[in-house]
Amino acid sequence: SQTIHQWPATLVQPVGSPLSLECTVEGTSNPNLYWYRQAAGRGLQLLFYSVGIGQISSEVPQNLSASRPQDRQFILSSKKLLLSDSGFYLCAWRRGVQSTDTQYFGPGTRLTVL
Amino acid sequence: GNSVTQMEGPVTLSEEAFLTINCTYTATGYPSLFWYVQYPGEGLQLLLKATKADDKGSNKGFEATYRKETTSFHLEKGSVQVSDSAVYFCALLSNFGNEKLTFGTGTRLTIIP
Repeated sequence: SQTIHQWPATLVQPVGSPLSLECTVEGTSNPNLYWYRQAAGRGLQLLFYSVGIGQISSEVPQNLSASRPQDRQFILSSKKLLLSDSGFYLCAWRRGVQSTDTQYFGPGTRLTVL
Repeated sequence: GNSVTQMEGPVTLSEEAFLTINCTYTATGYPSLFWYVQYPGEGLQLLLKATKADDKGSNKGFEATYRKETTSFHLEKGSVQVSDSAVYFCALLSNFGNEKLTFGTGTRLTIIP
């Protein structure tokens, strides 16, 4: 069966510091991968998605970036965090066969920027 | 563009009450529709889905029917339990190959014993 991991589970960082969040998927190959952010009291916003190694699409311009160095690894980064980057970050995957296949979510990383 | 409008929360019900959480959508073509649930401190879990008109998704006693004529996908459960307390998200995925899941804002449900 497939599983998706995210770490760290929680993170407290000062404004201006760098960020690296990691997501890995097990039990499948060539998945489509996604990063979402859930800000307090708001819905989910798609940040990035990737259909293959080195292929990243950005949905929202911001100070965050994403990379996919390996087939089942997806990394969310920032060089300098802003207060507005606080939120709950969720990674998701789905099979790349049909666009309507279900997206499955990881446990999330709660980021607080102080 | 695509959008999902979800019933405003929070919703508080007594155990064994009937639940309805309304969801309507705007989309071109024939999207797939989903309900996700988020328990406190956790990520999202797929609750149920429907991929074409008149399909009924069901899981754990929850049901939702894809109504194209009313562009709705309301979530229902006949008898809620305390363990159903969570935030529920309605979402759609376009059939035009766009990777983006469009979510509603979520409805917080609290069940009291």
